[in-house]
Amino acid sequence: GQSLEQPSEVTAVEGAIVQINCTYQTSGFYGLSWYQQHDGGAPTFLSYNALDGLEETGRFSSFLSRSDSYGYLLLQELQMKDSASYFCAVEGGNFNKFYFGSGTKLNVKP
Amino acid sequence: DVKVTQSSRYLVKRTGEKVFLECVQDMDHENMFWYRQDPGLGLRLIYFSYDVKMKEKGDIPEGYSVSREKKERFSLILESASTNQTSMYLCASSDPGLAGRSTDTQYFGPGTRLTVL
Repeated sequence: GQSLEQPSEVTAVEGAIVQINCTYQTSGFYGLSWYQQHDGGAPTFLSYNALDGLEETGRFSSFLSRSDSYGYLLLQELQMKDSASYFCAVEGGNFNKFYFGSGTKLNVKP
Repeated sequence: DVKVTQSSRYLVKRTGEKVFLECVQDMDHENMFWYRQDPGLGLRLIYFSYDVKMKEKGDIPEGYSVSREKKERFSLILESASTNQTSMYLCASSDPGLAGRSTDTQYFGPGTRLTVL
């Protein structure tokens, strides 16, 4: 089966750096994605890693280690608007199927 | 911009009613998905479709069925709604990449918050 683990909640202050970890178990793995969801909103895509290493997109970076079945999302220069839930998702098993973690609620404080 | 729309933002139904949730995407995507989202459980896949009239069960298909008669439209059907189906329902679409591999991005609709009384 598939399982993903990520922390349920993280709190950080404005301007800081925060890392949200995700470990996964899956039969067949194609990639790890990260999504952001504000309260009452739809999830929106942030990043995708198919290969090991770090992908950087502005203030957000995502890392993948396939051998460790582990990835993380790194948010730098935190802003209040970054307060949201962050989901990791693996693409695995049968093609085109995505499995989501339970989400990490990030609280950014002034 | 990709747009995924869902027929209702909020819906209240009674136990035993047949419920239709509609989803439409305008980017000619081949793949469409239905998830439900509950607190502490993340998004759980109910069904997905990779082509017209094709469907695959997700992790929690019991009590649900789907229909995809046209490429842009994917419907979720609750044959006989029950209170444990009260949830937020999210539709998504994506485009398969090379060799049928999905690309990295799923595009989500705004969600339908369904309450079954």
